[in-house]
Amino acid sequence: AQSVTQLDSQVPVFEEAPVELRCNYSSSVSVYLFWYVQYPNQGLQLLLKYLSGSTLVKGINGFEAEFNKSQTSFHLRKPSVHISDTAEYFCAVSASYGQNFVFGPGTRLSVLP
Amino acid sequence: NAGVTQTPKFRILKIGQSMTLQCTQDMNHNYMYWYRQDPGMGLKLIYYSVGAGITDKGEVPNGYNVSRSTTEDFPLRLELAAPSQTSVYFCASSAQGRNEQFFGPGTRLTVL
Repeated sequence: AQSVTQLDSQVPVFEEAPVELRCNYSSSVSVYLFWYVQYPNQGLQLLLKYLSGSTLVKGINGFEAEFNKSQTSFHLRKPSVHISDTAEYFCAVSASYGQNFVFGPGTRLSVLP
Repeated sequence: NAGVTQTPKFRILKIGQSMTLQCTQDMNHNYMYWYRQDPGMGLKLIYYSVGAGITDKGEVPNGYNVSRSTTEDFPLRLELAAPSQTSVYFCASSAQGRNEQFFGPGTRLTVL
């Protein structure tokens, strides 16, 4: 079975500063990796995904993530955040077969003026 | 395409009442899911379906039932509402079990 850890439950950061949201996973088989964003009172929206190929993945709204197989990590980064990036961010992993799709507990990003 | 739609958006139930949360997707996805999200918590899988006529339990199925008579619809039934079922419910769908999931806007349910 797969599992996902998001070490930071809350991350406050000032506007225009860089941010990194951490995600680590465990799995005995190859995985697909995802980051989702949830704005207040809305559903989840896909930010980016890693399926195969280049380990650096670019997503919407200027976010990117890097897959590191040796460290089993998929950290999310943005070089300069905006107030509008304030939201909950979820890392997720799915196995190479079957329908096992697991979400992490989420990280609440608060961008301060 | 509307994507994944859910109705109602909000509902207040009394203890012991029953209701059905509706979910419809127009992307011809085989896989559909029901999650609940409690404050400060992540998503917990209630039930999922890999195709019409096939459903299976997730992590927290007690107190809920589902059916999948068509590819498009995946309703979630609460038979005897309890305060512990106060939550936000999300429906999602995906083309394959390991591909990205597309989420509906959610249903906020309060049981008093």
